[in-house]
Amino acid sequence: GAVVSQHPSWVICKSGTSVKIECRSLDFQATTMFWYRQFPKQSLMLMATSNEGSKATYEQGVEKDKFLINHASLTLSTLTVTSAHPEDSSFYICSAYRQGYNEQFFGPGTRLTVL
Amino acid sequence: AQSVTQPDIHITVSEGASLELRCNYSYGATPYLFWYVQSPGQGLQLLLKYFSGDTLVQGIKGFEAEFKRSQSSFNLRKPSVHWSDAAEYFCAVGDRGTYKYIFGTGTRLKVLA
Repeated sequence: GAVVSQHPSWVICKSGTSVKIECRSLDFQATTMFWYRQFPKQSLMLMATSNEGSKATYEQGVEKDKFLINHASLTLSTLTVTSAHPEDSSFYICSAYRQGYNEQFFGPGTRLTVL
Repeated sequence: AQSVTQPDIHITVSEGASLELRCNYSYGATPYLFWYVQSPGQGLQLLLKYFSGDTLVQGIKGFEAEFKRSQSSFNLRKPSVHWSDAAEYFCAVGDRGTYKYIFGTGTRLKVLA
């Protein structure tokens, strides 16, 4: 199968600090990865599309300066939440598109709590 | 506008009863179609998917879904629900060009013993 991992699985940080979340495709190369945000008891909302070697494409309403995305290799994309505040607390899920499979493969998610 | 609608926010069924979760979409062209299940605090698990061909799709855990182009629907069914099926279910459409997904709002399933 196609496995996608996320690290860390959960993180607690203080308001004003930055947090980095890693998303890795373990057994395939992914030129495109996606980042989603899910509030409690709500659906997944696409935040941005991450393309290897180029700038991420952000969805309308997502602050690109706050949610920094880097896709430096074909197996790794990172999401950095800068100057985190309590309202940034959420479940962040990444996915990786595998060429030829026509679908995204999802990571297990990262629970971010900002105090 | 492109959208995915899951009309039922909550559904409660008795164990052993049949289940149907509804999903309707509004999209320019026939997208890829998916059903996912999510347990509390967990990630998504793919139940089944439709790309083309046979409109009745079989998935894992005894689930199936039927694509009806005329109704822009992709309803999920299971003939006999188990207590372990209690979870949140999401329908999603995938763009055939960009592979971006739009998720429905989800249906929370409760199973009575």
